[in-house]
Amino acid sequence: QKEVEQNSGPLSVPEGAIASLNCTYSDRGSQSFFWYRQYSGKSPELIMFIYSNGDKEDGRFTAQLNKASQYVSLLIRDSQPSDSATYLCAVKGARRGGSEKLVFGKGTKLTVNP
Amino acid sequence: ETGVTQSPTHLIKTRGQQVTLRCSSQSGHNTVSWYQQALGQGPQFIFQYYREEENGRGNFPPRFSGLQFPNYSSELNVNALELDDSALYLCASSFGQARSGNTIYFGEGSWLTVV
Repeated sequence: QKEVEQNSGPLSVPEGAIASLNCTYSDRGSQSFFWYRQYSGKSPELIMFIYSNGDKEDGRFTAQLNKASQYVSLLIRDSQPSDSATYLCAVKGARRGGSEKLVFGKGTKLTVNP
Repeated sequence: ETGVTQSPTHLIKTRGQQVTLRCSSQSGHNTVSWYQQALGQGPQFIFQYYREEENGRGNFPPRFSGLQFPNYSSELNVNALELDDSALYLCASSFGQARSGNTIYFGEGSWLTVV
């Protein structure tokens, strides 16, 4: 089983719709969860992080975490064409020896159609 | 802008050569991590440096090595380059040994092509 799994997509939604991106992880000791957006040819850009169960909202973005189900999601409301990118889920495990290693999924490619 | 700067941005090397990539971390950040991102994949953790010492390593061979300097800038060195080393190399900085909510920011990356 892969450590962090995402649907590779592509996920296609119309402009103005809600885009839902999902991620599951295998390490129950994981502490922090990150969503990065990556435009083609660019480096990952941090959108949100979450480390407590429940929802965390920031503008049009909502991250949801369910540690019991080992599941984290990202909702994008009122999707815009500029949201078209690959979204990477990253998980930081329990600190073993102090390393702050992030484990990434392969990413979900989102296309928002005008 | 994340405050993490990397150089060079693009480079082409020949198989068997050596390469050095550089990273300046965000002001106040004492931890630098390096990741390799192959095309179509998520970034893979290479190693991390905290206060000038390696503090965690991923599944990469010893020909991948690094340094962190007193000002917390860092270098990634790759010897005996192979074609499969062609990738985007990302540097990430953070304030290490911190709480769960510590955020991790990436630089713009260095695109390495091995021919």
